[in-house]
Amino acid sequence: GAVVSQHPSWVICKSGTSVKIECRSLDFQATTMFWYRQFPKQSLMLMATSNEGSKATYEQGVEKDKFLINHASLTLSTLTVTSAHPEDSSFYICSARDNPMRVGLAAYEQYFGPGTRLTVT
Amino acid sequence: EDQVTQSPEALRLQEGESSSLNCSYTVSGLRGLFWYRQDPGKGPEFLFTLYSAGEEKEKERLKATLTKKESFLHITAPKPEDSATYLCAVQARSIRDTGRRALTFGSGTRLQVQP
Repeated sequence: GAVVSQHPSWVICKSGTSVKIECRSLDFQATTMFWYRQFPKQSLMLMATSNEGSKATYEQGVEKDKFLINHASLTLSTLTVTSAHPEDSSFYICSARDNPMRVGLAAYEQYFGPGTRLTVT
Repeated sequence: EDQVTQSPEALRLQEGESSSLNCSYTVSGLRGLFWYRQDPGKGPEFLFTLYSAGEEKEKERLKATLTKKESFLHITAPKPEDSATYLCAVQARSIRDTGRRALTFGSGTRLQVQP
């Protein structure tokens, strides 16, 4: 259980175009999903928290108009990188948290997707 | 501000050579400390959650322990397949973070086990 998928696993796009990344919880409903980015040999940096049915909460320094997040259902969150530039090239990883009312303490655990490698040329 | 520091940054072991990875943390009320394993080009894989000082958890060759200031990930008789980056993260109990439950990650320890 607690499987999270991401699509695509890698994508190459031209500068100025937009890219959408999907994050799905396959065997549980996730009221909250998180989006991280990771640069080579660095740790994960939280970009935003995605809450089902409401606006995402962005970390300081993350442009909400550039990184659009939609959490339309309990199993799907999307991250759209708009007008991508080479500096947006990175490894984007999502995570999901199970419904706390269902699993108690285990609700604090986050399960991560396999990541999406974005390269902007 | 919550902080997580992992040491060493990199560790090279011979197969069968046991060792420990350290995770020191400062957090305004710990709700949970998490250990993940990350292979190159992949997302983190959940290993353990520790909630209170004195707690220990084991899984195969790995054992995680927790004190009020740090956590250790002990690796007993490692094998080459244990080579990966091990990430430590904390979740705060602060009121400010209520509802978000975001994790603060350390920079990780890159473990290489040679046959």
